This record gives sequence, structure tokens and C-alpha cells, in this order.
Amino acid sequence: QLQLQESGPGLVKPSETLSLTCTVSGGSISSSSYHWGWIRQPPGKGLEWIGSIYYGGSTYYSPSLKSRVTISVDTSKNQFSLNLSSVTAADTAVYYCAMVRGGAGRYWGQGTLVTVSS
Amino acid sequence: DIQMTQSPSTLSASVGDRVTITCRASQSISSWLAWYQQKPGKAPKLLIYEASSLESGVPSRFSGSASGTEFTLTISSLQPDDFATYYCQQYDSYTWTFGQGTKVEIK
Repeated sequence: QLQLQESGPGLVKPSETLSLTCTVSGGSISSSSYHWGWIRQPPGKGLEWIGSIYYGGSTYYSPSLKSRVTISVDTSKNQFSLNLSSVTAADTAVYYCAMVRGGAGRYWGQGTLVTVSS
Repeated sequence: DIQMTQSPSTLSASVGDRVTITCRASQSISSWLAWYQQKPGKAPKLLIYEASSLESGVPSRFSGSASGTEFTLTISSLQPDDFATYYCQQYDSYTWTFGQGTKVEIK
């Protein structure tokens, strides 16, 4: 059974870069069967897709976040990462990582709350 | 960008009721639509993928259907564990969009 776990700072200062890592267990991040994504949810609000990375390294980002987002994979650690630059209070949210297959999020991490505040 | 319009935003129902939630896409997405259930403080759980395929382990009272750009999630007989928020999600050209969510409350 695939398991995902997000990790990273819970507090980030405005204008700085938010960096999160998702550690995958129970399967190889290098598998051609899996793709990987990041989704966030501001407190009390709905889900927002941030971006995805596909087997082979192709990345796709939300148009509204594209200028600030980078998603990458570290196969040696079985992890993938999210960097979101120039954060503001509007980026405060629970951030989820997910395994994507067939266009849907099949397995999700438990989520990690990131607060942007000075 | 493809927009997903989900309705209703809130739904009050009783145990045993048949419940229907609708999502309309702003343009054709073929069958690339998923439905999720989310409970407070928890990650979303995949229920339906490719518009009508039931994810493994999901009770058969959940079903999905499609007609053009309109997609429907039906719960045939609402159970106590089903009170939650439901989201649709489209997948087109490697990008996703979620609907606004439907909160199913106890009547």
C-alpha cells in the first residue's frame, strides 16, 4: 500500500519561499505507473490544484501559480518536492501531496498546515 | 482554463435518502472527472474516477454518471458515515480544476 507523508516548515515569512517535501513509501517514485501532485486547501475553503510532475520529469502547474511554483523529484530519496516563492498570507493553507493515476489523486498524504506570517 | 461549477453548495438530507450532486464543466472534458469525499481534518478520499468508475473499496451506494459536460455523483441511500464534503475534479491536458464543494449535512 502506497503511503505519502508531507514535511516542511509550518511557518514561513511573507516574501520567502515555501518548501515542502513528500516522502513516498510502499512504492517507487520512479515507477512509470505513478505521477505526483500537490494540492492545497486554505482554512475553511475548497481544494486548489498546485501542479503535478509526471514520469520522465514533465511538470504542469496551475496558471494562477505558475510563475512561483517548482515541483521536482529526488529518486534517490523516493521524494518529491514543492517550492512556492514570494509567499503572502493568501498562501496559508493545508498542503497535500498525492499520487496521481488516470487523472485522479489515488493516494494522499495527511496534509501539512503552512502559515505565512511574520 | 476549464471551470467546474458544482451544485448545490450545501445539501441537507436524512439517512436513507437518495442524494445527487452535480458538476458542470465549462467545456468538454470527455470522461476525465473524479469525485472525492472529504471529512474535517482529513485528506480527500477518491470515490469515482473517469466519471463512472468506482474506486476499489468504495461502497456501491456511490455512483457517477456523465451527460456531455454535466457530471453527477449519486449516493443511493445516505448512510451516517456519508455526511461530509464532496468535490468534483476535472483532468484535461494534464491540468486539474476542482469544483467548489458540496457539504452534505444532517437534516
